[in-house]
Amino acid sequence: RKEVEQDPGPFNVPEGATVAFNCTYSNSASQSFFWYRQDCRKEPKLLMSVYSSGNEDGRFTAQLNRASQYISLLIRDSKLSDSATYLCVVNRYSSASKIIFGSGTRLSIRP
Amino acid sequence: DTGVSQDPRHKITKRGQNVTFRCDPISEHNRLYWYRQTLGQGPEFLTYFQNEAQLEKSRLLSDRFSAERPKGSFSTLEIQRTEQGDSAMYLCASSPSGNTEAFFGQGTRLTVV
Repeated sequence: RKEVEQDPGPFNVPEGATVAFNCTYSNSASQSFFWYRQDCRKEPKLLMSVYSSGNEDGRFTAQLNRASQYISLLIRDSKLSDSATYLCVVNRYSSASKIIFGSGTRLSIRP
Repeated sequence: DTGVSQDPRHKITKRGQNVTFRCDPISEHNRLYWYRQTLGQGPEFLTYFQNEAQLEKSRLLSDRFSAERPKGSFSTLEIQRTEQGDSAMYLCASSPSGNTEAFFGQGTRLTVV
């Protein structure tokens, strides 16, 4: 079983729709959590950090449930430019830092 | 540009040849990571440095792979006796501390023919 699991999609939704992605992680020692966005043939870029209290950045909302080891990302009023792969990322930091990526969820927004 | 830089951006090599990639992290970042990414997959962790010390190494990293960060600044990743299965994007990332996000370079795309 992979340490970070995501639904690979693809999600194909109309512009303006709300879409949600889920991610689970298996190592309870994981300490910090992120969503990254990756465009085709580009490097991953940080979309947002995920905090225990939940956090929002414009149309994007991230939630963390430590008890269930579950992370989510909600995108409201989706735009064509949101089409990308969204990567769930977990940082297991103790004596060494290990940043683990999920396989990514592909999102395609259609006009 | 003060971001993470990787060189070369693209490399085509014949099977059996050795290749070396370089990564220059953001200057104040003491943590440096190498990842490998193939089509349709997320980045797979290869190895991690804190300053010059290599603290963790994935089982994915066979003995043909070696990484160094001799002065705690730039890092190199060498693949010896390349195989077709080594074809992938090799990504380098750096971060300033253990609990923060990592910043990625644009990657080195390796094609083994």
